[in-house]
Amino acid sequence: QQQVKQSPQSLIVQKGGISIINCAYENTAFDYFPWYQQFPGKGPALLIAIRPDVSEKKEGRFTISFNKSAKQFSLHIMDSQPGDSATYFCAARLGNNNDMRFGAGTRLTVKP
Amino acid sequence: DVKVTQSSRYLVKRTGEKVFLECVQDMDHENMFWYRQDPGLGLRLIYFSYDVKMKEKGDIPEGYSVSREKKERFSLILESASTNQTSMYLCASSLFTEQFFGPGTRLTVL
Repeated sequence: QQQVKQSPQSLIVQKGGISIINCAYENTAFDYFPWYQQFPGKGPALLIAIRPDVSEKKEGRFTISFNKSAKQFSLHIMDSQPGDSATYFCAARLGNNNDMRFGAGTRLTVKP
Repeated sequence: DVKVTQSSRYLVKRTGEKVFLECVQDMDHENMFWYRQDPGLGLRLIYFSYDVKMKEKGDIPEGYSVSREKKERFSLILESASTNQTSMYLCASSLFTEQFFGPGTRLTVL
């Protein structure tokens, strides 16, 4: 059973558009919410992360929005580029040993 | 730069074989993890270790065991490989919050 539910499974966006990926969780013990980006043939790499005491975090074209009461968080990619085409995973951390639970992943395709 | 290396990129084994997947990190990280990645299921935690000789079960430990004799090395063992263990296996390490992943081992069990 997935502890972090991610949607959509796949997403196609035109170059310059906004990509939005959503995640939801139930366990209120999660204390750190990262997003990872994975290119084909590579392991995932940290993209951006947020803690639950903050409602939004922005790094360049990437923004996380966090709604603690709804137990939801989302990744927004502004001005999406073909180089952003990858699989994106949301995750949530449980405990001090970095025990991470991942969503099912979203395959993003940005068309030129 | 943190480097996490996995012993093989591709591995083909037969049902019933004992399989060892090795992972080595070079940054003196306390925590190490093994995940399997399957389409539509994302990354699922098999085992993790927060210190030498320490291990904790993740969400799907059945059919797997692990060994951490040295801080830099974390091994995943399939005692008797089965076809449903065909998957991509990812190792990761961390010191604080960020996990650093290796490139993965694609295991096929025939």
